Amino acid sequence: NAGVTQTPKFQVLKTGQSMTLQCAQDMNHEYMSWYRQDPGMGLRLIHYSVGAGITDQGEVPNGYNVSRSTTEDFPLRLLSAAPSQTSVYFCASSSRQTNEKLFFGSGTQLSVL
Amino acid sequence: DAKTTQPPSMDCAEGRAANLPCNHSTISGNEYVYWYRQIHSQGPQYIIHGLKNNETNEMASLIITEDRKSSTLILPHATLRDTAVYYCIVRDYSGNTPLVFGKGTRLSVIA
Repeated sequence: NAGVTQTPKFQVLKTGQSMTLQCAQDMNHEYMSWYRQDPGMGLRLIHYSVGAGITDQGEVPNGYNVSRSTTEDFPLRLLSAAPSQTSVYFCASSSRQTNEKLFFGSGTQLSVL
Repeated sequence: DAKTTQPPSMDCAEGRAANLPCNHSTISGNEYVYWYRQIHSQGPQYIIHGLKNNETNEMASLIITEDRKSSTLILPHATLRDTAVYYCIVRDYSGNTPLVFGKGTRLSVIA
């Protein structure tokens, strides 16, 4: 049982490049979400999903796409990276049944030059 | 926007109880109070949650006022490893709404 796994841990992009941040969970959780955290700031919600095939926008969705084709995976796509997207990205999941706690991944540190 | 208000920072002496306050005056009847903490640059960690009764687990105690407009997280014997940012969050129990983080309280435990 690995929990929530994020890859890669570190990534450097050039402005305009695209990439996908991967998030996978092996706990059969219905709910998954993506946050970004800028230096000295709290976490801001980008997108979330309450189940396969269902996604919704959070506080800061612009410049990001998500899809949820399986329960296990919730990839975050940066369409055309910008320096303003330099941040640490966290993926999280929880069971809607118990809804007691959100499990977080260890984060992806992204730098856009 | 976060529905909670927390002091930006607090200090606590090692071995003493750390009492972290949270104001959530607009909380609705189906919303729970959740506490998470984030140590340095790690992913946030769940601590405890409650609806209206006081709760205790191996990490902390949660005291919710009778009118549910505020709560206090208590770390009974703070250690240096409890130095972190603590987030108080209100969220309904349906599981269909996201967890919205505010800026939290930066707790510094001092030797």
